[in-house]
Amino acid sequence: SQTIHQWPATLVQPVGSPLSLECTVEGTSNPNLYWYRQAAGRGLQLLFYSVGIGQISSEVPQNLSASRPQDRQFILSSKKLLLSDSGFYLCAWSSQTSSYNEQFFGPGTRLTVL
Amino acid sequence: ELKVEQNPLFLSMQEGKNYTIYCNYSTTSDRLYWYRQDPGKSLESLFVLLSNGAVKQEGRLMASLDTKARLSTLHITAAVHDLSATYFCAVDRAGGTSYGKLTFGQGTILTVHP
Repeated sequence: SQTIHQWPATLVQPVGSPLSLECTVEGTSNPNLYWYRQAAGRGLQLLFYSVGIGQISSEVPQNLSASRPQDRQFILSSKKLLLSDSGFYLCAWSSQTSSYNEQFFGPGTRLTVL
Repeated sequence: ELKVEQNPLFLSMQEGKNYTIYCNYSTTSDRLYWYRQDPGKSLESLFVLLSNGAVKQEGRLMASLDTKARLSTLHITAAVHDLSATYFCAVDRAGGTSYGKLTFGQGTILTVHP
């Protein structure tokens, strides 16, 4: 069965510091991968998605970036964090061989920028 | 731009009562997903609705899709406390492609009390 991991689970960082969040998927090959942010209060915002190694599409311009160095690894980064980057970051995957796009979410990373 | 609106945003129910959560979306799509999120946790997939008239049921929850009206409903029957959570609908923007991007509704916070 497929599993998705994220780390760290929680993170407190000062403004202006760098960021690296990691997501890995097990039990599947060539998944679509996604990064979402959920601000306090609720909605999910799609930040990045990837259909393959080195292929990243950005949904929202911001000071975040994403990379996919390996088939099942997705990394979210920032060079300098802003207060507004605080939130709950969720990684998700979906199968490229499925006829529909059901997405499965990781446990999330809760980021607080002080 | 696809917009997805849920109502109500807050729902306080008595145990044993029935209620419906509505999800309206603004552009054509035939793929709609319902997710559940417990406080502080990630999202859990509940239902995948893939065509007009689709109906799925799991326990006390039943979801339906009317693509002509661009409306999905999540009906709760005889609510119990364990159903307390935030419920999201999400619409697939990409339609038939394999890496569709989801647009989420704002979420409905459901509280079931005795």
